[in-house]
Amino acid sequence: GAVVSQHPSRVICKSGTSVKIECRSLDFQATTMFWYRQFPKQSLMLMATSNEGSKATYEQGVEKDKFLINHASLTLSTLTVTSAHPEDSSFYICSAFGTPTTGELFFGEGSRLTVL
Amino acid sequence: RKEVEQDPGPFNVPEGATVAFNCTYSNSASQSFFWYRQDCRKEPKLLMSVYSSGNEDGRFTAQLNRASQYISLLIRDSKLSDSATYLCVVNIGTYKYIFGTGTRLKVLA
Repeated sequence: GAVVSQHPSRVICKSGTSVKIECRSLDFQATTMFWYRQFPKQSLMLMATSNEGSKATYEQGVEKDKFLINHASLTLSTLTVTSAHPEDSSFYICSAFGTPTTGELFFGEGSRLTVL
Repeated sequence: RKEVEQDPGPFNVPEGATVAFNCTYSNSASQSFFWYRQDCRKEPKLLMSVYSSGNEDGRFTAQLNRASQYISLLIRDSKLSDSATYLCVVNIGTYKYIFGTGTRLKVLA
């Protein structure tokens, strides 16, 4: 199957700082990647769809200025949580479809963000 | 009503038991269905797709009932390693995957 790698796996930061999370497709090209957030004991919630070479599409209620997404190449999408606050503490996961797609979503390992 | 609903559990079952999970979805236009497995603090991984005619993969059987809008997952001969959270995932359109909150399974020795 396709391999999606995410980094860092864990990050702890102070309130007000910005944190960048990288998502890479290792053995395929991904024109589209998805960013999810998962709070404890809750489902994965789609935050945004990242499109290579164009602006990301954000889900309702997700602040685009707070969660900056850049998809500058076919193998890399980044999510930057700007001016992070404790309520942003969560598990952030990226995903992509393999190529050719079978409908299966491949997920990165996830990044656990803790904002103090 | 949530778009995808699952009983959160936990389901505590002894090794060797058979256990079944159900998942209901609200969007009648849902196109495809999946069961993913998520271990604690890990990313979800595809367990199996769910086909209209039902499908089986070893000890796992998935069923789809479009009329009643639910899918099910049956696990036979449970193993300790089956302990995880099982996510029901529904595709409602291009790139639109809706995840259930998951059902937690604990298989006890």
